[in-house]
Amino acid sequence: SQTIHQWPATLVQPVGSPLSLECTVEGTSNPNLYWYRQAAGRGLQLLFYSVGIGQISSEVPQNLSASRPQDRQFILSSKKLLLSDSGFYLCAWSVLSNQPQHFGDGTRLSIL
Amino acid sequence: AQSVTQLDSHVSVSEGTPVLLRCNYSSSYSPSLFWYVQHPNKGLQLLLKYTSAATLVKGINGFEAEFKKSETSFHLTKPSAHMSDAAEYFCVVGGAGTASKLTFGTGTRLQVTL
Repeated sequence: SQTIHQWPATLVQPVGSPLSLECTVEGTSNPNLYWYRQAAGRGLQLLFYSVGIGQISSEVPQNLSASRPQDRQFILSSKKLLLSDSGFYLCAWSVLSNQPQHFGDGTRLSIL
Repeated sequence: AQSVTQLDSHVSVSEGTPVLLRCNYSSSYSPSLFWYVQHPNKGLQLLLKYTSAATLVKGINGFEAEFKKSETSFHLTKPSAHMSDAAEYFCVVGGAGTASKLTFGTGTRLQVTL
């Protein structure tokens, strides 16, 4: 069966520090991968998605970037965090068009 | 273009009573529709999905939803609420194309009281 792993579960970082969040999927090949952010009390905002290794599409201009160095690995990064980067970050995968996405347990990021 | 409207931001029910969470959608093609549940500080869990087969879809934990094309609705129901059902629920329209991007509703917070 397929599983998705995200880490860390929680992270507290100072303003201006770098960020690296990692997501890996097991049990499937060539998945579509997604990064979302969920601000407190709000819905999900799609940040990036990838349909293959090295292929990244950005949905909103921002202080973050994404990379996909391996088929089942998706990384969310920032060189300098802003206060507005705080939130709950979710990774997801899917394999077929028009099928649901499957989500990881998320990373709670707090910027101080 | 597609969109999703969850008609209630907050619903409160007593334990043992029926649950109804309302969702209307707009899509330029025959959509796939999903309901997800999110418990505090957790990821989203798929409750059920409609992908153009049976219009009445049964999901996990006793939830079901009915696709009504004429009403462009996909309401989520459960006959008897349980305390563990208290969570945020998202109605979602599936995307076409390679990227399969989803369109999320703004969520309905379900409160279950004794």
